Amino acid sequence: EPEVTQTPSHQVTQMGQEVILRCVPISNHLYFYWYRQILGQKVEFLVSFYNNEISEKSEIFDDQFSVERPDGSNFTLKIRSTKLEDSAMYFCASSEQGAWTGELFFGEGSRLTVL
Amino acid sequence: EDKVVQSPLSLVVHEGDTVTLNCSYEVTNFRSLLWYKQEKKAPTFLFMLTSSGIEKKSGRLSSILDKKELFSILNITATQTGDSAVYLCAVRNQGGKLIFGQGTELSVKP
Repeated sequence: EPEVTQTPSHQVTQMGQEVILRCVPISNHLYFYWYRQILGQKVEFLVSFYNNEISEKSEIFDDQFSVERPDGSNFTLKIRSTKLEDSAMYFCASSEQGAWTGELFFGEGSRLTVL
Repeated sequence: EDKVVQSPLSLVVHEGDTVTLNCSYEVTNFRSLLWYKQEKKAPTFLFMLTSSGIEKKSGRLSSILDKKELFSILNITATQTGDSAVYLCAVRNQGGKLIFGQGTELSVKP
C-alpha cells in the first residue's frame, strides 16, 4: 500500500542550527502539507503546498520556515535557525487531486528535539 | 477563529463496552470532517464525512455528521484493547487544511 515516508525519524539539534526534514509523498498526490504536534498538544497546521507554491500557511510558519519540492518527489521543510519551542513531531501529509476531497495521508513523523 | 472541540478528553472503558466520542466544530468554509486514530506516531485515517445524516461504517466503528448542529460522533462497539489510542477529529476547510481537535484518549482495559 502506498505511504508517505519521512526522514529522519528523530533529529536532535542545537538551538540556532538549521534543520531539513524530508518527506516523500504518495506518488500520484498533488497536495502536500506539513503539520506539527508539540508533546501533549493538538496537531497544528503549518503549511499547504500545491503546484509548486504555498497555498496556505499558518501564523506558526514564519520567516524561519520554508518548504520546497526540489525534484518532483521529495517535499522538504527547512527551519533556518531552530528555537527550543520548535521541538515537536513534524508530520508530512499528502492528498490526491482536489484540496478538499479525498483522504489526507500522514507520514510516520519526524521528531525534532532542539537543545 | 476556526475551532474543533472534542469530548471527552479521556475515557477508560472495559473490553466489550460501547463508546461514543464527540466532535463539535466552528469552521468557516467547511468541506469535510475526518476522524483519525493515533496510536504512537502518525494519525491513521478512519472516516471522511461530507454529508449530514449518512453513517459511515467500518467493522465495529461508525460515524455520522450533523452539519446543522455542527457536530459528529464516532461510535466503537464491542471495544477491544487494540482500540486504545487517541482519536482525532479534524475539519477540512476550502483551502484543504485540517483543523484538529485536541483528541480523545481512549483506554480499553481487559
